[in-house]
Amino acid sequence: NAGVTQTPKFQVLKTGQSMTLQCAQDMNHEYMSWYRQDPGMGLRLIHYSVGAGITDQGEVPNGYNVSRSTTEDFPLRLLSAAPSQTSVYFCASSYKRANEQFFGPGTRLTVL
Amino acid sequence: AQKVTQAQTEISVVEKEDVTLDCVYETRDTTYYLFWYKQPPSGELVFLIRRNSFDEQNEISGRYSWNFQKSTSSFNFTITASQVVDSAVYFCALSGGYQKVTFGTGTKLQVIP
Repeated sequence: NAGVTQTPKFQVLKTGQSMTLQCAQDMNHEYMSWYRQDPGMGLRLIHYSVGAGITDQGEVPNGYNVSRSTTEDFPLRLLSAAPSQTSVYFCASSYKRANEQFFGPGTRLTVL
Repeated sequence: AQKVTQAQTEISVVEKEDVTLDCVYETRDTTYYLFWYKQPPSGELVFLIRRNSFDEQNEISGRYSWNFQKSTSSFNFTITASQVVDSAVYFCALSGGYQKVTFGTGTKLQVIP
């Protein structure tokens, strides 16, 4: 079991560039989510999914897109990177929303 | 809407002292789940405990204990005889009904040897 994997671990973008953060889990979990972590702000929910084909917005969805074509994968797309999106991004999964989440190792993104 | 408040931003204790991390939550759901996670300096997030709203029994696991009180909407976490390895950021989280999972802003615990 690899658990939750995220790639890349580090990324530097220029303002306006787009990119996709990858997230995959091999635990057959229904619930997957993306968070960003900024100093003093805790973990803020960007988007989440309760199953393949179903996604919804979290607290801070602007500037990000997601899709869930399979149970395993939940990529996060930055459409046009901005310096305000400099953050550490965590992907997480759980069997159901009510269950404990397993987190990936995180992606540290810097937007110049 | 649901909310989780961790009013203690940072706490410093000397090794072997006991420390309690506070978590206060708000929800309109009658069925909900509360969690604690630990984030050590290495950065990964580790699950510690899950409690549902119908189970107010306190939980003890080694040096860790949790006190869930619905009357005060609190789910506090106590570390007994703290150790340097307990130094981390601790997050409380809430999942209620069809609501999204909401995290508190975290409490940074520093245990000084």
